[in-house]
Amino acid sequence: QQQVKQSPQSLIVQKGGISIINCAYENTAFDYFPWYQQFPGKGPALLIAIRPDVSEKKEGRFTISFNKSAKQFSLHIMDSQPGDSATYFCAAVLQGAQKLVFGQGTRLTINP
Amino acid sequence: KAGVTQTPRYLIKTRGQQVTLSCSPISGHRSVSWYQQTPGQGLQFLFEYFSETQRNKGNFPGRFSGRQFSNSRSEMNVSTLELGDSALYLCASSLVFGNNEQFFGPGTRLTVL
Repeated sequence: QQQVKQSPQSLIVQKGGISIINCAYENTAFDYFPWYQQFPGKGPALLIAIRPDVSEKKEGRFTISFNKSAKQFSLHIMDSQPGDSATYFCAAVLQGAQKLVFGQGTRLTINP
Repeated sequence: KAGVTQTPRYLIKTRGQQVTLSCSPISGHRSVSWYQQTPGQGLQFLFEYFSETQRNKGNFPGRFSGRQFSNSRSEMNVSTLELGDSALYLCASSLVFGNNEQFFGPGTRLTVL
């Protein structure tokens, strides 16, 4: 019940295309859902986050879509660029807690 | 504002040794969490601290321990190192406990030979 399942494991998208990464969870006590971006040799960087009372949040080219009834959320990267090539992690946090429960990660490659 | 800093960045140890890793949170942040990242297991929670108190601990053996100082800096220690402890150890800081925005440092790459 503490797991977050992420798919796909790897994704190749052409420059200018839309990258979509999906996550699913079971525990309805999760109430914060961040996405992190990690480049090789670096720590994860907080990209965008959402709470379950909102169905969508957009920041620049990055959008989180949240489906509370399906217990799923996804990251959409519009107009994907080669610089977006990185590993992306979704995560979830229980209400009142701090611990991040991470998905397994998606290695995104944007072909020029 | 400086980000989360971790020292050392790289470390090579042999089995049976012990190691101490250090984390300085973002100025003003009082909560620190530690994570282990490996290719096989992904990102796994180790422990979290706030006000010098361990608030939660992950499913790791007792060889893994940590502490937080009054200036919010944190250290983690791994005793009797095993080959499987080779990993990237990441520290994340947040303003207060339960403030979900957490910012990671660059990590310490530990290699156990």
